[in-house]
Amino acid sequence: DVKVTQSSRYLVKRTGEKVFLECVQDMDHENMFWYRQDPGLGLRLIYFSYDVKMKEKGDIPEGYSVSREKKERFSLILESASTNQTSMYLCAGWDRRTDTQYFGPGTRLTVL
Amino acid sequence: KQEVTQIPAALSVPEGENLVLNCSFTDSAIYNLQWFRQDPGKGLTSLLLIQSSQREQTSGRLNASLDKSSGRSTLYIAASQPGDSATYLCAVNGNQFYFGTGTSLTVIP
Repeated sequence: DVKVTQSSRYLVKRTGEKVFLECVQDMDHENMFWYRQDPGLGLRLIYFSYDVKMKEKGDIPEGYSVSREKKERFSLILESASTNQTSMYLCAGWDRRTDTQYFGPGTRLTVL
Repeated sequence: KQEVTQIPAALSVPEGENLVLNCSFTDSAIYNLQWFRQDPGKGLTSLLLIQSSQREQTSGRLNASLDKSSGRSTLYIAASQPGDSATYLCAVNGNQFYFGTGTSLTVIP
């Protein structure tokens, strides 16, 4: 079975802190995504990566950066956390063979 | 930009009823459409994927249809059960993935 894992289910941080959200997939596929999910707004794409060391901005990249040093790991970085970044963060991988996205369990981030 | 709409936002039905969830999208230039289920506080679980060349896909009690020309997809759930209670999201794959905001389904025992 395909598996996408995220380092934390719940995270509480202070305003101004640097925050790392980690995502690991075992699919050996290139494409990985970071979304945030907010009530009434649905899932919005922050960044995606189609290969190691490659990254592309999504619809809402401001305040975020990403790192993809190894194929299986895609990290989302909040350089200086702010309260409006309180959200559910979802990582996904894309299986090219089946065109299917597979999601991790999500990280609920609260910024105080 | 692609816009994906799911109506209704919430639905409550008695156990055993058949039901239909709707998804509409504005740009018919898509590769495929995927239906997901999301339980509270959890990630998304893939249910069905329909390629743009297909009309429908079935998995157990679930059947998804796609009418690309009219920009619509439906998810049919037969003989609903309380365990089907969750939020159901559709996502279209064009040059990137676009998600609807979901339909929250409650199946009452």
